[in-house]
Amino acid sequence: DTAVSQTPKYLVTQMGNDKSIKCEQNLGHDTMYWYKQDSKKFLKIMFSYNNKELIINETVPNRFSPKSPDKAHLNLHINSLELGDSAVYFCASKLQGWNTEAFFGQGTRLTVV
Amino acid sequence: QQQVKQSPQSLIVQKGGISIINCAYENTAFDYFPWYQQFPGKGPALLIAIRPDVSEKKEGRFTISFNKSAKQFSLHIMDSQPGDSATYFCAASLTNDYKLSFGAGTTVTVRA
Repeated sequence: DTAVSQTPKYLVTQMGNDKSIKCEQNLGHDTMYWYKQDSKKFLKIMFSYNNKELIINETVPNRFSPKSPDKAHLNLHINSLELGDSAVYFCASKLQGWNTEAFFGQGTRLTVV
Repeated sequence: QQQVKQSPQSLIVQKGGISIINCAYENTAFDYFPWYQQFPGKGPALLIAIRPDVSEKKEGRFTISFNKSAKQFSLHIMDSQPGDSATYFCAASLTNDYKLSFGAGTTVTVRA
């Protein structure tokens, strides 16, 4: 059973398009994240939700909009895609608490052409 | 602004050798320091973690050394194996903070 699953795994799209990435976790966690990993492998936090409430909103263009319909799901919608949005996007989840383990999905490789 | 600085960016070690990755932080309020391991095409996964009241933690061939006064911590991979070839990230977080700040990552290649 996959703990944190993301769809799609690969996404190739043209500049200007709008796309969504979906994430689901079956671990019973109450906190979910979106991270962006660039070509140099740097992991940058984008958003975090706790019990469906947005708690972290880093400096991210407002073309990126997260949505958490329930505690088990966190989706990421991206409008007007740009070349610089090409990266691997990771969803992660954990239990609330400073020292709990974060579980990551397998990532979505987004390529904007 | 990167809150956790990690070095080296990459390293190559022979099978059976020791891999050492170093991290430094500025915020003395950090109180949880995990290391994550990432294989190509996969998401990061927790490898080992330490709290600042402990100077060393060992799990199998992996050891974290923590120096609170120097604000540094390091990962040692003993008897490195080809299967250890991956990217390793150090990270840090604060009490009551949901945010996990990652270092830039170190790509370790173990040559057979």
